[in-house]
Amino acid sequence: RKEVEQDPGPFNVPEGATVAFNCTYSNSASQSFFWYRQDCRKEPKLLMSVYSSGNEDGRFTAQLNRASQYISLLIRDSKLSDSATYLCVVIPNQGGKLIFGQGTELSVKP
Amino acid sequence: NAGVTQTPKFQVLKTGQSMTLQCAQDMNHNSMYWYRQDPGMGLRLIYYSASEGTTDKGEVPNGYNVSRLNKREFSLRLESAAPSQTSVYFCASGGTPDTQYFGPGTRLTVL
Repeated sequence: RKEVEQDPGPFNVPEGATVAFNCTYSNSASQSFFWYRQDCRKEPKLLMSVYSSGNEDGRFTAQLNRASQYISLLIRDSKLSDSATYLCVVIPNQGGKLIFGQGTELSVKP
Repeated sequence: NAGVTQTPKFQVLKTGQSMTLQCAQDMNHNSMYWYRQDPGMGLRLIYYSASEGTTDKGEVPNGYNVSRLNKREFSLRLESAAPSQTSVYFCASGGTPDTQYFGPGTRLTVL
């Protein structure tokens, strides 16, 4: 089993739709969680951290479910500019290195 | 302030050739990293350097060597390139995950 797994998609949604991605992780002791965004053929960039209490940044909401060992990213009112690959990132232990999921591709259509 | 820069952007090698990928950062970060990204695999850590003068293996170090030349520069060397090393290589720097910045990547093809 991979340490971090994502549904690779692609998710094809119309503008204005709400879309959600899940990511599961295998190490129950994992400490920190993040979502990165990667545009086509470009470098990954941090989108948001995922806190135990959940957090929201505009149209984006991230949640953590430690009992089921997954994190989620919800995007409301999708824009064309949201088209990208979303990478789930987990740090399995304190001071450890980032473990990336394989990414979920999102395509928002007019 | 350029952030993280990588050279070259593209490279084609023949099997057995060697090359060095260069990475530099101007953010005064202690930590630097080399990743590779393959289709369907996400990013995998090759080597990292927690500070100047130290380097450690990551998840997929075989076939690679690194040098932390100074605080700014961290190079990745392929001594004898193989087709399995065809990939996109990203350098990153930072101290914590929410301050880890990636370079634009090097697209390497080994024939």
